[in-house]
Amino acid sequence: ETGVTQSPTHLIKTRGQQVTLRCSSQSGHNTVSWYQQALGQGPQFIFQYYREEENGRGNFPPRFSGLQFPNYSSELNVNALELDDSALYLCAFEGPDSPLHFGNGTRLTVT
Amino acid sequence: SQQGEEDPQALSIQEGENATMNCSYKTSINNLQWYRQNSGRGLVHLILIRSNEREKHSGRLRVTLDTSKKSSSLLITASRAADTASYFCATSLSGGYNKLIFGAGTRLAVHP
Repeated sequence: ETGVTQSPTHLIKTRGQQVTLRCSSQSGHNTVSWYQQALGQGPQFIFQYYREEENGRGNFPPRFSGLQFPNYSSELNVNALELDDSALYLCAFEGPDSPLHFGNGTRLTVT
Repeated sequence: SQQGEEDPQALSIQEGENATMNCSYKTSINNLQWYRQNSGRGLVHLILIRSNEREKHSGRLRVTLDTSKKSSSLLITASRAADTASYFCATSLSGGYNKLIFGAGTRLAVHP
């Protein structure tokens, strides 16, 4: 048990819609990262937040955006959903000199 | 494209056998990590090896790193059915544990 909770666990959306995914940690880790994992592939880094500011971004368009709140929980927002956005979305928290603790992910299906 | 590439893509063995997975990467790194993922679940950190280390052990896991060949291997000894999972290598360009670049993974099946 990693203590990282993601919601919802599954989600079905229609192309063009918007979606918000949530992530929280039982521990007060102040760095949170989001990853996208397509079926049969490894996770790809979307972005990272540290103390409520974006602290690095992968090769994802601006319609992928995020937030980190004072309690260190985080949201991933995706606008104008495309079919290729169908994937498992993982968040991970990191503490000082500690490995990433991943949640079990949100499975997003775009139809 | 992904930084790391695992080999083989899939591996099927019997309980008690050893499983070896390889990972190659493209650019210089600060460290390389191995993660495990059970089907449809999150990733679990297994082990980190720094660029100045050549070998590291953790329980039944042994990781080697060859920076001259830009490659790493993960050996699981005396495998168990519970080891069935996907295994990913990940590199960190910025140091520490963050902003990881993952390979496509090796899917390991251990049969009782």
